[in-house]
Amino acid sequence: QKEVEQNSGPLSVPEGAIASLNCTYSDRGSQSFFWYRQYSGKSPELIMSIYSNGDKEDGRFTAQLNKASQYVSLLIRDSQPSDSATYLCAVKDTGFQKLVFGTGTRLLVSP
Amino acid sequence: DGGITQSPKYLFRKEGQNVTLSCEQNLNHDAMYWYRQDPGQGLRLIYYSQIVNDFQKGDIAEGYSVSREKKESFPLTVTSAQKNPTAFYLCASSPGLAEKLFFGSGTQLSVL
Repeated sequence: QKEVEQNSGPLSVPEGAIASLNCTYSDRGSQSFFWYRQYSGKSPELIMSIYSNGDKEDGRFTAQLNKASQYVSLLIRDSQPSDSATYLCAVKDTGFQKLVFGTGTRLLVSP
Repeated sequence: DGGITQSPKYLFRKEGQNVTLSCEQNLNHDAMYWYRQDPGQGLRLIYYSQIVNDFQKGDIAEGYSVSREKKESFPLTVTSAQKNPTAFYLCASSPGLAEKLFFGSGTQLSVL
C-alpha cells in the first residue's frame, strides 16, 4: 500500500503569517498531487493541484513539488482565521489509478 | 448548478439493517467514488467506478456494495456485515480515473 504522510498538527500560526504544510509520499512514480481543505464537519474542497517539479502559485496559495525528495508542500501567505481547517494531501497511485490521501494537518490561525 | 448531491445528510442504522446512501452528480463525470472518513483519519476508498455497469473494490470494500446503472448515480449500501459502520461517508466524482476529485457534502452514518 502506497503511503502519504502528514504531520497531524495542530499547526498554529498568527494571522498574517505564512503557514507551511508538508507531505511526503512513498510512490516514486507518482505524477499528480493535490491539496484539499476540509472544514470541520464538511467535505474536502480542492484548492491546488501540481504535476511538475517547482512552485505553482494561486492567489495566497503556493504548492511546491520535489519529486526527487518525494515531498510536496503547501504555503499559505497572509494566513487568515478563515484558513483554519484540516489540509489533506492526496497523491495519485500509479499502480492502482486511485488517489491516496494523507491523514491531514490541522491548521489553526489565531487573530 | 453543477455538483454532487448526497443524501441523507444524517442516517441512523439499527443492528442487522442494510442502509443505502444516495449519490447523484450532474457534472458529466465518468468516474465516481465512495470514501469513508473516521475521526482523525484520512479518507479510505470503499468502491470506485470508471464507467457505467462497472465498479471496483477499494481498500475497505467488505460489508459494502454499490451499483452503477446510470452515469449520474452511484449508490452505496452499507450491509449488516459491516460491523463498525459509524463514519462520515463521502461520494466524489472526477472527469477521469484518479484525476481531480470533487466531493459531495457527505453523509454521517451512526448506529442506534
